[in-house]
Amino acid sequence: EAGVAQSPRYKIIEKRQSVAFWCNPISGHATLYWYQQILGQGPKLLIQFQNNGVVDDSQLPKDRFSAERLKGVDSTLKIQPAKLEDSAVYLCASSQGGRAYNEQFFGPGTRLTVL
Amino acid sequence: TQLLEQSPQFLSIQEGENLTVYCNSSSVFSSLQWYRQEPGEGPVLLVTVVTGGEVKKLKRLTFQFGDARKDSSLHITAAQPGDTGLYLCAGFPLPGFDQFYFGTGTSLTVIP
Repeated sequence: EAGVAQSPRYKIIEKRQSVAFWCNPISGHATLYWYQQILGQGPKLLIQFQNNGVVDDSQLPKDRFSAERLKGVDSTLKIQPAKLEDSAVYLCASSQGGRAYNEQFFGPGTRLTVL
Repeated sequence: TQLLEQSPQFLSIQEGENLTVYCNSSSVFSSLQWYRQEPGEGPVLLVTVVTGGEVKKLKRLTFQFGDARKDSSLHITAAQPGDTGLYLCAGFPLPGFDQFYFGTGTSLTVIP
């Protein structure tokens, strides 16, 4: 079974530029998550999709971040314009659904550096 | 303010030593999960504990869920260099919250 795919793996941009990340979840997984992980810290949930609908985006900085999940499969996360503090690893995860016991499968992440 | 606080934040030990990592919250959780993350990779699920007081063993790793379901611990016996990584607890607080939270993380280094 193929895992969660993310691209690119690394991205370096200057502040005020735009950037987009792509995620392809495990086939058949209804739930998709985007996390931001600052070096050495635990991931912080940015947005959660159930199929193509948003379940939670309370910690997504909506003035600069946006995300979509077209047709309930692939997803993209965009930052426009980027700030220095956006430097982090952006992780995508998927799960079969459910809630309390769901196992999330993570991709390798995209490491973003904002100069 | 972090919902799940882990301690210690960093831990460096010699191969063969034992260690315990703690995960604490003021909130009650329906269940807690423990993940391990290696550099350059995403977290990987180790275990899910569901019942207050539950103890689960995974080879040299022992996980415990507190009776009040507000805390959990991970104990590693005879640590090996392959145990090196970032250990994360995570879970959904009881109904009233719909967001999945990760802990602050414990970075473990096992020196050969």
